[in-house]
Amino acid sequence: GENVEQHPSTLSVQEGDSAVIKCTYSDSASNYFPWYKQELGKRPQLIIDIRSNVGEKKDQRIAVTLNKTAKHFSLHITETQPEDSAVYFCAAKPGGGADGLTFGKGTHLIIQP
Amino acid sequence: DTGVSQDPRHKITKRGQNVTFRCDPISEHNRLYWYRQTLGQGPEFLTYFQNEAQLEKSRLLSDRFSAERPKGSFSTLEIQRTEQGDSAMYLCASTQGGGTEAFFGQGTRLTVV
Repeated sequence: GENVEQHPSTLSVQEGDSAVIKCTYSDSASNYFPWYKQELGKRPQLIIDIRSNVGEKKDQRIAVTLNKTAKHFSLHITETQPEDSAVYFCAAKPGGGADGLTFGKGTHLIIQP
Repeated sequence: DTGVSQDPRHKITKRGQNVTFRCDPISEHNRLYWYRQTLGQGPEFLTYFQNEAQLEKSRLLSDRFSAERPKGSFSTLEIQRTEQGDSAMYLCASTQGGGTEAFFGQGTRLTVV
């Protein structure tokens, strides 16, 4: 089955700086890669996603890049703000008809004032 | 509330007891998923339904776990003969189709004592 590795597990950045979180996946047939933000005690919420036929997608301060050859994708947050502090999860949807997402273990992003 | 709702929010049970959780998806969504999340980990896929058909089950879903979606609307997840290792947050999510945004519920936190 699919395996998703996520790094780093904790990331501390100064407010206003950029943050990058990286994930790798194992199933070359995976075709959908969402990123979720989960604040303490709350449900995971989608912040951005990318499909395997696209190399990059941007939404205001958030961008995701996908390298299918290397089987890795990254989340980029620019001009970080205190409200960006949360746990971020990457995920991959396997190919071959499977539909459940495989999640990484999460990155705890801390924005230092 | 038009989001995904789960009931109960919290459940404490003694080891060996049976428990049942309910999930009401977003009304126009035909796919419903169950995930389990333990502290410091990403959600782990358990099973999913398209309408009333259960199409995929993770090997994490032991024989003690059963899920139903009898009329293609709400779903129930039952755990029989609970064990301490079953303690986790059980999350439900729904989508309009595969490879689209999954909307999560607030989860049911199960504690087995």
